[in-house]
Amino acid sequence: EVQLVESGGGLVQPGRSLRLSCAASGFTFDDYAMHWVRQAPGKGLEWVSGISWNSGSIGYADSVKGRFTISRDNAKNSLYLQMNSLRAEDTALYYCAKAGEQWLGEFFDYWGQGTLVTVSS
Amino acid sequence: EIVLTQSPGTLSLSPGERATLSCRASQSVSSSYLAWYQQKPGQAPRLLIYGASSRATGIPDRFSGSGSGTDFTLTISRLEPEDFAVYYCQQYGSSQRYTFGQGTKLEIK
Repeated sequence: EVQLVESGGGLVQPGRSLRLSCAASGFTFDDYAMHWVRQAPGKGLEWVSGISWNSGSIGYADSVKGRFTISRDNAKNSLYLQMNSLRAEDTALYYCAKAGEQWLGEFFDYWGQGTLVTVSS
Repeated sequence: EIVLTQSPGTLSLSPGERATLSCRASQSVSSSYLAWYQQKPGQAPRLLIYGASSRATGIPDRFSGSGSGTDFTLTISRLEPEDFAVYYCQQYGSSQRYTFGQGTKLEIK
């Protein structure tokens, strides 16, 4: 059974940093691309970033480019999101999601339960 | 960036009825790159349909997807009580960009 468990969320002041983690199990982690998708309270879904199986292909939404960095450690079956210069508009539930293939892929076939990031002074 | 517009915003139907949800793109989308998700309150999204018309693993055959170009449809043939949720369409475009529609809330009438 595929399991994705996010952690690292919390309350942070504007301008500060936070690092999210996603622990994966139940599939061969280094065979698949991974993504972060977020959902602001009461709002819809927004893709944040994605990384291919070998970290050779990475993409970011314009809203986070230059502030967020995605990475993965295949030896630890883990995905990360380093979030710097956080803004109030980054407040959201952050989901870790698995792609359906090695490269960034066209869809997200499994999702974690999310970790909540709140940016507020 | 391709914008996806879903309609209606809210759809009120009864169990047993047929539901038709629309997703319209601001530019042509490859059928291979259109997906649908279901999200229930307090839960993560669940993949229903990928490639515009292929059902994901474990998805009942009352769910079907169709369409091409700029107009795509998710149909639920006979609504079950557990189908009342929010539905999102999603596309994968150039420059490695992914966008979602704003969602359609399917509620019990």
